[in-house]
Amino acid sequence: AQSVAQPEDQVNVAEGNPLTVKCTYSVSGNPYLFWYVQYPNRGLQFLLKYITGDNLVKGSYGFEAEFNKSQTSFHLKKPSALVSDSALYFCAVRVTGTASKLTFGTGTRLQVTL
Amino acid sequence: EAEVAQSPRYKITEKSQAVAFWCDPISGHATLYWYRQILGQGPELLVQFQDESVVDDSQLPKDRFSAERLKGVDSTLKIQPAELGDSAMYLCASSLGALGTDTQYFGPGTRLTVL
Repeated sequence: AQSVAQPEDQVNVAEGNPLTVKCTYSVSGNPYLFWYVQYPNRGLQFLLKYITGDNLVKGSYGFEAEFNKSQTSFHLKKPSALVSDSALYFCAVRVTGTASKLTFGTGTRLQVTL
Repeated sequence: EAEVAQSPRYKITEKSQAVAFWCDPISGHATLYWYRQILGQGPELLVQFQDESVVDDSQLPKDRFSAERLKGVDSTLKIQPAELGDSAMYLCASSLGALGTDTQYFGPGTRLTVL
């Protein structure tokens, strides 16, 4: 069975500082990894995904994520946080094949303060 | 930019009543998903359609939930009768296909409150 762990319920960072939101995964086979962001009472917005190739993936709004196969991690990063980045972030994993479900972590709340 | 549409955005109902949610996927997307998101948790898949066919409904409580996508475009999710534990956000998503690499795009969701 596949699973995703987001070890931090909340991450606090000052505006202008770099941010990292952690994600580790467990799958049988090659993973496809996704990051989504959710604002209050809204659906999930796609940020970026890793399929294959370069381990550093760049996405929307200045976010990037690094795939690390040996550590089974896919941490989300941004060099300089904005107050408007404050939201709930979800990591998700899927494997190859149409029968595979997209499995989400429990989410990490990012709070960016002035 | 094309988006997934859902309605209503909010629904308050009493237990034992019937409720229905509607979803219109991004044009050209063959695969449609319904998820349930309980507060403080990640979304969980209820049902997946490929065109008009159900390909996965293993997590759908079939005694009270039903879903259809009759013409392979828009979809309806119904709950009858609603129970207190059904209070959650119901999210619809769509993707071009059902491959693991296909990105799922989500609608704004329907927040259901059962009293």
